[in-house]
Amino acid sequence: SSELTQDPAVSVALGQTVRITCQGDSLRSYYASWYQQRPGQAPVLVIYGKNNRPSGIPDRFSGSSSGITASLTITGAQAEDEADYYCSSRDSSGNHVVFGGGTKLTVL
Amino acid sequence: EVQLVESGGGLVQPGRSLRLSCTASGFTFGDYAMSWVRQAPGKGLEWVGFIRSKAYGGTTENAASVKGRFTISRDDSKRIAYLQMNSLKSEDTGVYYCTRDNGDPYRFDYWGQGTLVTVSS
Repeated sequence: SSELTQDPAVSVALGQTVRITCQGDSLRSYYASWYQQRPGQAPVLVIYGKNNRPSGIPDRFSGSSSGITASLTITGAQAEDEADYYCSSRDSSGNHVVFGGGTKLTVL
Repeated sequence: EVQLVESGGGLVQPGRSLRLSCTASGFTFGDYAMSWVRQAPGKGLEWVGFIRSKAYGGTTENAASVKGRFTISRDDSKRIAYLQMNSLKSEDTGVYYCTRDNGDPYRFDYWGQGTLVTVSS
């Protein structure tokens, strides 16, 4: 399968921890990368590989993976974390790329 | 500072063609693969295709939804990646982003601001 599945929406109370998941067969072979997209803005890479953060991404963002499931965890969610989050990986062939459908995160 | 600037979007009739450009700065353009990712209004991200660096043959891969209609190319001397879109359909409407692709583990580490393509009569 070349699909990645995400929950459409997740909410978290301010300061609490939230996990956003991504499932797909390709994740057995390839790491997921995660992108944050605020309204009206281009996506921004927040996590890639086993658990790598680009420069400038707060350390409250972390990633993990097990089997066909990759997870993005935000520990101590802030109001500015309210956004859409997308996972992505190479597909099972390794020659194409797939995105999950996205998860809308609401910070209450 | 890495910058990617897309241009060439606009309103185009179904069946016509359009070419998008992505002008890069702040890094050695020829060393990286480049992708195009699009987003239909109110929808999620969709990978369109990529072009490998010359070191990896400069070959391209395209999503099934655009194969045979869209072509990606690059001019390393000008630091520009192109997306040639032919036989456009209404479902091709959306914002088109250019991205820099970075190695293993694979990720899109820089994105342009996007350019809007509207396919309508």
